[in-house]
Amino acid sequence: LAKTTQPISMDSYEGQEVNITCSHNNIATNDYITWYQQFPSQGPRFIIQGYKTKVTNEVASLFIPADRKSSTLSLPRVSLSDTAVYYCLVAGGYNKLIFGAGTRLAVHP
Amino acid sequence: SQTIHQWPATLVQPVGSPLSLECTVEGTSNPNLYWYRQAAGRGLQLLFYSVGIGQISSEVPQNLSASRPQDRQFILSSKKLLLSDSGFYLCAWSVGENSPLHFGNGTRLTVT
Repeated sequence: LAKTTQPISMDSYEGQEVNITCSHNNIATNDYITWYQQFPSQGPRFIIQGYKTKVTNEVASLFIPADRKSSTLSLPRVSLSDTAVYYCLVAGGYNKLIFGAGTRLAVHP
Repeated sequence: SQTIHQWPATLVQPVGSPLSLECTVEGTSNPNLYWYRQAAGRGLQLLFYSVGIGQISSEVPQNLSASRPQDRQFILSSKKLLLSDSGFYLCAWSVGENSPLHFGNGTRLTVT
């Protein structure tokens, strides 16, 4: 199982770009990297998923270097509503989907 | 479209009482189903997952159990609750390998 390491917390200001990096040195060949967002008293919500290089959707970008031992979630121009906990999940297949501790992002006015 | 239902939303139970939390998924067939628990201010702990009817894998030894009596129904149970069972219980589903998890709204359980 690929163990993940993320910063415990981050602070930013409205309008800034936020980059959250996740380290996963033991990532396996068939592992995908998935990021989730969680607000208090809600279940996590899927943000973005990738295997290698760069993935972009309407809310975020995911950068994965060639060695895949880390990944960076990029949130462009954050707003107060982006204050949440962000989880990086590295897993292959459908079992043992174990979350790490997550990164608590606080966006300030 | 697919939806997931969890109930109840909140629950207060005395120590030693039984527990039954239910989760159902609509709009998809043969989903992978998961139960997670989140203690206050903590991350998500995987409790059980199931890839088919009657197939349950347990990740953490404890006094909880899970069952999957129907394709899209996942039940979390306990015969006797402990104080340490308090937490936020989340059900999730996915389809196939490497597909993202989709979570329900959770059940806030307080054991008193």
